Amino acid sequence: DAKTTQPNSMESNEEEPVHLPCNHSTISGTDYIHWYRQLPSQGPEYVIHGLTSNVNNRMASLAIAEDRKSSTLILHRATLRDAAVYYCILYDSGGYQKVTFGTGTKLQVIP
Amino acid sequence: EPEVTQTPSHQVTQMGQEVILRCVPISNHLYFYWYRQILGQKVEFLVSFYNNEISEKSEIFDDQFSVERPDGSNFTLKIRSTKLEDSAMYFCASSDGRTGRTEAFFGQGTRLTVV
Repeated sequence: DAKTTQPNSMESNEEEPVHLPCNHSTISGTDYIHWYRQLPSQGPEYVIHGLTSNVNNRMASLAIAEDRKSSTLILHRATLRDAAVYYCILYDSGGYQKVTFGTGTKLQVIP
Repeated sequence: EPEVTQTPSHQVTQMGQEVILRCVPISNHLYFYWYRQILGQKVEFLVSFYNNEISEKSEIFDDQFSVERPDGSNFTLKIRSTKLEDSAMYFCASSDGRTGRTEAFFGQGTRLTVV
């Protein structure tokens, strides 16, 4: 599996933007970049995914570097409910693949 | 919005007993999964299921575990003879799997406590 590297933890003030980085220098051309999060005591939750272009949805934005070796999940306005562990995962578009979780980034949101 | 539902939310069982964890995946999804998360640890893959058979399983998924999709809507995980170390949160997930629809949707989990 292609590997991703994320900081273990980050802090953000409530109502400020948060930029969660992910490095994936060994990404292959068919790998999608997926982000999931896990709120305390809940199951993982899909956030967003992309291939080459930046993506937006109601939860977040995903900015992908031009060389695709890194990406950034952007929460435009952090709320206390966004405190969670965020996982950056590479997913091969060429067929079935399970989601493999690493240790992710634990985001703390400060009121 | 469609969601994956799991029952029960919490199950306590005695060591050596059989347990069945139940899941109702999203109705038009093709791939089904079970994961577990021991307290304080990361989410671990157990098994995936497609076209009425196991497509992949991890080393954790030994002969004590089995999965079944008995009626086209439910997806179950059975542990035949539970051990103390089986205590964990168990998450069911499903994904559409068709082109461009690769994201997985997870249930809220069943907390299994083996005493």
